[in-house]
This record gives sequence, structure tokens and C-alpha cells, in this order.
Amino acid sequence: GAGVSQTPSNKVTEKGKYVELRCDPISGHTALYWYRQSLGQGPEFLIYFQGTGAADDSGLPNDRFFAVRPEGSVSTLKIQRTERGDSAVYLCASGLGANVLTFGAGSRLTVL
Amino acid sequence: QKEVEQNSGPLSVPEGAIASLNCTYSDRVSQSFFWYRQYSGKSPELIMSIYSNGDKEDGRFTAQLNKASQYVSLLIRDSQPSDSATYLCAVMNTGFQKLVFGTGTRLLVSP
Repeated sequence: GAGVSQTPSNKVTEKGKYVELRCDPISGHTALYWYRQSLGQGPEFLIYFQGTGAADDSGLPNDRFFAVRPEGSVSTLKIQRTERGDSAVYLCASGLGANVLTFGAGSRLTVL
Repeated sequence: QKEVEQNSGPLSVPEGAIASLNCTYSDRVSQSFFWYRQYSGKSPELIMSIYSNGDKEDGRFTAQLNKASQYVSLLIRDSQPSDSATYLCAVMNTGFQKLVFGTGTRLLVSP
């Protein structure tokens, strides 16, 4: 596609539920990043993929968060046992490297 | 100490003025520096990158880097109301490819 596609654009769930957020990067982009942005804050780094492997997952807040990119293209961010504090906009970005990243529109997660 | 620090603002300037946005960073080995613009409710978009000490100009935008002072800035000349947005400073240690953002400075340009 022409840009980075993220689905769903909006997700409302109940505390304790499982959530999956999908990112479809720009074709050919080997680097894929997940960030989380809360209101009034800058994007917070979660995880970075180079190809299929997670090159840096140091930003994942705890073991409820997990991300995969099995074929080096589409990535899924998985959140188990969601908590109200997980509510945020989850941003995906892709690029040939980190020097020129294109962000998707984000997935807004609301945990009730 | 936060890795990347910015004044949250808002910074208010009249149309046509120069807007000056500042950022400091804590990691001395940082090598790449970026400015992203984020309109309300939208995702960040890259507007400038700078890697060497000094100034880099692109149209109305000038990025300035001083590695000794761990300081990077963005100047916007002839500010327009359409420049009103949050400007995010981002820093990367090339060896780690991890892009770290500041909290952003909100810029308001009044007609």
C-alpha cells in the first residue's frame, strides 16, 4: 500500500480482555517500530523489528505485551489481560531504517 | 533525567515571526536527531533530520545541532497558522536504532 496501515483504528475493550493490533507497513520496509502515545505525551518506544526478528524489545512495559512479525511484513501487537492504564494510541512506523520513518494513523485503545 | 527534554509550551508566536523550538538530550553517544510535526489527532510526520554540528536549512525550517551542549533546535521562519502543531524532538543512537522522542512542544501561530 501507499502508507502504513493500522487496524483497528479504534478499539474499546473491557479490563482483562485480550487485544490484537495490526500493522501493515509500506512494502519493502524492513524496519518496523511500535510506539505508544498517551494524551499530551510524546511517543513511547515499545519494540523495533528488523525483518522478522525483534531487534530491541526493551520498551515493552511487561510480559502482558508481545509483538510478532512472522514474515517480515505485517506485525501484530498483542496485549493480554488489558488494564485501564493500557489505554493510549498505539502507533506503528516503518522505514528502511530509523532515519526516515513513516507513521500509520494509529490504533486508539480504550480499556474500560 | 528524561532522555529527551522539551518545553511543553504552548509557544505562541504571531504570523510571520520566527518560532524557536528547543530540545536537550542526555545520551552523549546520540548520533542522529530528528524533528517531527504532529497535528492534533494525527500521527507524527518527519520534517527535518540532522546528524552533524551546525545548521541545516530546508525551506522555512532550520535545524541546529550542538553536540557539545547536547542541544538541538528547530527554527521556523515566517511562521504560518498552518504551522500550529506539536513539534516532537527525537534522538537516536545509530548503533541501537532506537528512536526516542521528547514530550513535544505545542506551537500556536496566531493570524
